[in-house]
Amino acid sequence: DVKVTQSSRYLVKRTGEKVFLECVQDMDHENMFWYRQDPGLGLRLIYFSYDVKMKEKGDIPEGYSVSREKKERFSLILESASTNQTSMYLCASSRQGGETQYFGPGTRLLVL
Amino acid sequence: AQSVTQLDSHVSVSEGTPVLLRCNYSSSYSPSLFWYVQHPNKGLQLLLKYTSAATLVKGINGFEAEFKKSETSFHLTKPSAHMSDAAEYFCVVSRENNNDMRFGAGTRLTVKP
Repeated sequence: DVKVTQSSRYLVKRTGEKVFLECVQDMDHENMFWYRQDPGLGLRLIYFSYDVKMKEKGDIPEGYSVSREKKERFSLILESASTNQTSMYLCASSRQGGETQYFGPGTRLLVL
Repeated sequence: AQSVTQLDSHVSVSEGTPVLLRCNYSSSYSPSLFWYVQHPNKGLQLLLKYTSAATLVKGINGFEAEFKKSETSFHLTKPSAHMSDAAEYFCVVSRENNNDMRFGAGTRLTVKP
């Protein structure tokens, strides 16, 4: 079974802090994704990566950056957290050319 | 461009009765369509997917969906609801063999005893 893990289930941070969300997958997938999920809006893509050190902006990249130094790990960085970044963050992975994405359990981030 | 519209934000059924969750899609390309389920405080789990093979797709836990090109719909059904089906359901469209997935806003299913 594909396993996607996220470093934290719940996180509370203060405005202005730098925040790291980590995601690891164990299926040697080429593609990895970061989404945020907000009520009534579904999932919106922040960034994705199709290879080590490669990244592409999604629909809502502002205020976020990403890092992919190893194939299995994809990090989402909030350079200076703001209250409007309070959300559920979901990581996913898929194989190259594959359509099915496999999701982690999510990190619920609260920015005070 | 592609998008999905989930026609109901909330559906409530009684245990043992049929479930219908409605989804319409828009796509300029040959679409792939998915239904994912999210139980409380969990990640998304794939229920089923359509990728230009049979138009009636069977998924896990007794769910199925029918692709109707003429109606641009991909509704999710189950003959008999179970309490464990209570969750949020997302309809998703992507371009075939492409990773750009577009999610609907979600439908929350409540199952009453």
